[in-house]
Amino acid sequence: DTGVSQDPRHKITKRGQNVTFRCDPISEHNRLYWYRQTLGQGPEFLTYFQNEAQLEKSRLLSDRFSAERPKGSFSTLEIQRTEQGDSAMYLCASSLGTGQDYGYTFGSGTRLTVV
Amino acid sequence: RKEVEQDPGPFNVPEGATVAFNCTYSNSASQSFFWYRQDCRKEPKLLMSVYSSGNEDGRFTAQLNRASQYISLLIRDSKLSDSATYLCVVMPTDSSYKLIFGSGTRLLVRP
Repeated sequence: DTGVSQDPRHKITKRGQNVTFRCDPISEHNRLYWYRQTLGQGPEFLTYFQNEAQLEKSRLLSDRFSAERPKGSFSTLEIQRTEQGDSAMYLCASSLGTGQDYGYTFGSGTRLTVV
Repeated sequence: RKEVEQDPGPFNVPEGATVAFNCTYSNSASQSFFWYRQDCRKEPKLLMSVYSSGNEDGRFTAQLNRASQYISLLIRDSKLSDSATYLCVVMPTDSSYKLIFGSGTRLLVRP
């Protein structure tokens, strides 16, 4: 499979627990993005990596959220002390470059439910 | 005000109909524009980029009006398989890696 892979596909957790999601981008893509999508809304930008460098974090990404891409390949998104408002689909995307000429490929997402 | 605004629909049309979606954006410095398609509980997928001169891909035609900050998508001869949510997406000039999504317009094509 040469697409963007995300794991797990679904996660149910109790409020206050920590969760970690993984994203494996397309191998030659050096750009990686995390988005969050809630019901009835479009995806919202969370953060952007070029290789291992995190170049932008949205203000949506509170102190409880941290993302890493340690070797410029896969990425992890951790949410500490989860809240019910964190329930959403977390989407990862990757691209070979930026701008209109480069296609962004999204993974199937991790659906988080906080109970 | 949202940066990208769309009519949420749903648009309920018969097979073979022509349907048009509109989208407005607030940042006049936006650089690039796209339409994405999202099936229920699936990831968004690029449908087409939108160029200033307008562009067509089979049954799909996209138009951009920079002066009015308005983007449109026209679908001709609707198929059942066109049923999905269509997301209008804008890429800002000052952060040409970030996609700003509208909330989407839902299309239902009935037999």
